[in-house]
Amino acid sequence: DVKVTQSSRYLVKRTGEKVFLECVQDMDHENMFWYRQDPGLGLRLIYFSYDVKMKEKGDIPEGYSVSREKKERFSLILESASTNQTSMYLCASSDRGRVGYTFGSGTRLTVV
Amino acid sequence: GNSVTQMEGPVTLSEEAFLTINCTYTATGYPSLFWYVQYPGEGLQLLLKATKADDKGSNKGFEATYRKETTSFHLEKGSVQVSDSAVYFCALSSFTGNQFYFGTGTSLTVIP
Repeated sequence: DVKVTQSSRYLVKRTGEKVFLECVQDMDHENMFWYRQDPGLGLRLIYFSYDVKMKEKGDIPEGYSVSREKKERFSLILESASTNQTSMYLCASSDRGRVGYTFGSGTRLTVV
Repeated sequence: GNSVTQMEGPVTLSEEAFLTINCTYTATGYPSLFWYVQYPGEGLQLLLKATKADDKGSNKGFEATYRKETTSFHLEKGSVQVSDSAVYFCALSSFTGNQFYFGTGTSLTVIP
């Protein structure tokens, strides 16, 4: 069964900490995405990547960065966590030229 | 540009009631259309999709028809169950499938 795996389901971090959220897919997909999900706002795209070492800003990149050193892994980095980054973070991947995302189970991050 | 507008919730129904969740879209070109479902504490799962006009996607008793003339993709189910309680997201993808646009989600609660 194909999978997108996010390393943590729940995470609690302190304000100012550097936070790494990891996402790994086993489907050899070119495209990977990071979203955050907040009540009433739906899913908002943070960053995406179409290939190794490539990254593109989404709609809300401020306060975040990403790393894609290997095709299967796409990391989201909160450089200095703040309480307004408390959210559910969802990773997804898709195959270039084919339609449809596969999502991970999500990481619920709380910044205190 | 591309966007999705879906019916606001929350929606509460009794078991065996008929469900409709409205979704309309704006898109350039010929998008594909999707419904994703998110159960409590989980990531998003693909429920059904349609890749061209007049296609009907179906899964687990849910159906949606791609209507180009009304730019709609309404989700329907004839008889809901308690286990259908979840948040439902309408989405479209660009022709290349490289990026998705999501609605804000509709929360459904089915009571026995």
